[in-house]
Amino acid sequence: DAKTTQPNSMESNEEEPVHLPCNHSTISGTDYIHWYRQLPSQGPEYVIHGLTSNVNNRMASLAIAEDRKSSTLILHRATLRDAAVYYCILRGQAGGTSYGKLTFGQGTILTVHP
Amino acid sequence: DVKVTQSSRYLVKRTGEKVFLECVQDMDHENMFWYRQDPGLGLRLIYFSYDVKMKEKGDIPEGYSVSREKKERFSLILESASTNQTSMYLCASTPSPGPYNEQFFGPGTRLTVL
Repeated sequence: DAKTTQPNSMESNEEEPVHLPCNHSTISGTDYIHWYRQLPSQGPEYVIHGLTSNVNNRMASLAIAEDRKSSTLILHRATLRDAAVYYCILRGQAGGTSYGKLTFGQGTILTVHP
Repeated sequence: DVKVTQSSRYLVKRTGEKVFLECVQDMDHENMFWYRQDPGLGLRLIYFSYDVKMKEKGDIPEGYSVSREKKERFSLILESASTNQTSMYLCASTPSPGPYNEQFFGPGTRLTVL
């Protein structure tokens, strides 16, 4: 899977929007962009994914650049419960030794202030 | 709600003990994974299974074995626990390894080997 680059940490205030960026300049045409988050002492949790178009779900929105070399996870109104490590992951077709496994980088630590 | 459960949240064992970590999913998923998570190293795949009684080694299988006798249950076995196996162990499942599918994670088992 291609590599992603995220800021180590970001801060936000409660009830404000948060934009978490991810760069993936070596993305291939068939790679999906996934976001997971991990709350303290919990397993990772799926947030959202997309291929080319922007996506919305009940948790967040995903904005994908036209050239697909970057994307942004948008939390519309941050709450204290959104404080977590957010991971941007590219997923290509499973095959060979990839097995469909997820490869997590270091992620972005999001701190939300009351 | 879909669910992946793990037998213990916290476990303390002694060096040389045989350790069983159990994972159960209720989503009728074909694919199940065992990862370990260590600070600075991200998630690393230990083993995965794509069907009952089928298993494949992941990136770090040494010192571990697995068992999948029923579709919903995937067990990780540490034959003789060692201190370098102290870690957070995460189980995940997914309907298929396709890049558009999310993985569902359990809450994790924090294992300490003394």
